[in-house]
Amino acid sequence: DGGITQSPKYLFRKEGQNVTLSCEQNLNHDAMYWYRQDPGQGLRLIYYSQIVNDFQKGDIAEGYSVSREKKESFPLTVTSAQKNPTAFYLCASLSGSYGYTFGSGTRLTVV
Amino acid sequence: LAKTTQPISMDSYEGQEVNITCSHNNIATNDYITWYQQFPSQGPRFIIQGYKTKVTNEVASLFIPADRKSSTLSLPRVSLSDTAVYYCLVVQTPSGDKLTFGTGTRLAVRP
Repeated sequence: DGGITQSPKYLFRKEGQNVTLSCEQNLNHDAMYWYRQDPGQGLRLIYYSQIVNDFQKGDIAEGYSVSREKKESFPLTVTSAQKNPTAFYLCASLSGSYGYTFGSGTRLTVV
Repeated sequence: LAKTTQPISMDSYEGQEVNITCSHNNIATNDYITWYQQFPSQGPRFIIQGYKTKVTNEVASLFIPADRKSSTLSLPRVSLSDTAVYYCLVVQTPSGDKLTFGTGTRLAVRP
C-alpha cells in the first residue's frame, strides 16, 4: 500500500542531544511537510519541501533542520537549540488533487 | 491564506446527524475548502474537499453557499468512532502551498 512511514513511533532525547526523525513516502509526491503538534493544539508547520534539494522554513523552524536528498525521504533533525522539543511530530506529503497524506507520527519526549 | 473559524467543541449522540460550520470570510477565488479528521495520536486524515455548492462522498457531505464565506461539514448518523478533531482548511490546489491548521473542532459522540 502507498503511504507515509514515520519512525520511530516513540523517541526519547536527552538534554543537549540531536535526534533525527525519519519520514519516507512511496506515493511519488513532490511536496513534503513537517508539522509539530502540542497537546490540545493544532498543527504548526516546521519545514516543507516542494522539490528535491530544496526546502523552506515554516512558522516554527528555529531549532530544527531538514534535508531532501531523495524524493522519497524528508528527515527532520531536532537540534539541541530547540529548547522545548517534547511534542508529537507529523510528516505529510501532498497530492494536488486529494490533499495531504499524513504519517502516523513520532512522539518525542525529553528526558 | 484565508483564516478559518470553527467551534472549539461539539457534543452529539450516536445516530444523530452532526453539522460543523466553518467561516472563512476572506476566501480567495482560487481557494478550495478541505476538511480533515484526526484521532488521538494519529495524523489527520483527508475527509472531503469542495469549491462550491455540495459535495458528497462515502464519509460526509460538504455544503458551501454561493458566497463561499462559510462551509458546513455534515456527518450523517454518527457513531462512537466518529469522536475526533475535525479541521477546516482553505487551500489552493493543486499546489505545494503550506497549510495552516487551527485548533479544529473536537467532536464527542456519546452512546
